[in-house]
Amino acid sequence: NAGVTQTPKFRVLKTGQSMTLLCAQDMNHEYMYWYRQDPGMGLRLIHYSVGEGTTAKGEVPDGYNVSRLKKQNFLLGLESAAPSQTSVYFCASSYSGGGYEQYFGPGTRLTVT
Amino acid sequence: GESVGLHLPTLSVQEGDNSIINCAYSNSASDYFIWYKQESGKGPQFIIDIRSNMDKRQGQRVTVLLNKTVKHLSLQIAATQPGDSAVYFCAERSPRGATNKLIFGTGTLLAVQP
Repeated sequence: NAGVTQTPKFRVLKTGQSMTLLCAQDMNHEYMYWYRQDPGMGLRLIHYSVGEGTTAKGEVPDGYNVSRLKKQNFLLGLESAAPSQTSVYFCASSYSGGGYEQYFGPGTRLTVT
Repeated sequence: GESVGLHLPTLSVQEGDNSIINCAYSNSASDYFIWYKQESGKGPQFIIDIRSNMDKRQGQRVTVLLNKTVKHLSLQIAATQPGDSAVYFCAERSPRGATNKLIFGTGTLLAVQP
């Protein structure tokens, strides 16, 4: 099993450009999450999904959109990138019941100039 | 290098010593806690977890202690090795809802000196 994978690994955008980050998991998890990680601030939840076709806002959703058309994929979109969105983005997934452990991908480093 | 380690509290230990990393959590109703390890340039990796009905849980070279009275969690690493150098995060789960959302601490950088 590959676990949780993310593409791309690195990206540089100019202010106002758009992009989509792709997350895929092969563990048949129901729940998926997108986080951003900034120095000294820990992981902050952007959006999450409790199943195929569902999405919900997390702690810092502004400027981002998500879609979960397939159970194994969770897409994070930036419609008009801003320098404040420079960060490292992590995707995670977890089972819907029992244990609450989240499994993380390797991250995407995004720089917006 | 990975910028996540900047501005974090740092614990520096000698190789072979025991390490204790502390975490204060925020919600007295949280029912599950987890420790993650994050190496430079990688995503967080699960180390050990504990439910609120327990005070202590042991894994391989790691022990987690939970003190609900003062809302404190600690991670003990025995015989610390250079490969243990990383940022360590604690996280708590609030039982509200069924979404398995975790709230993460800011982390502690563990630096192992050879």
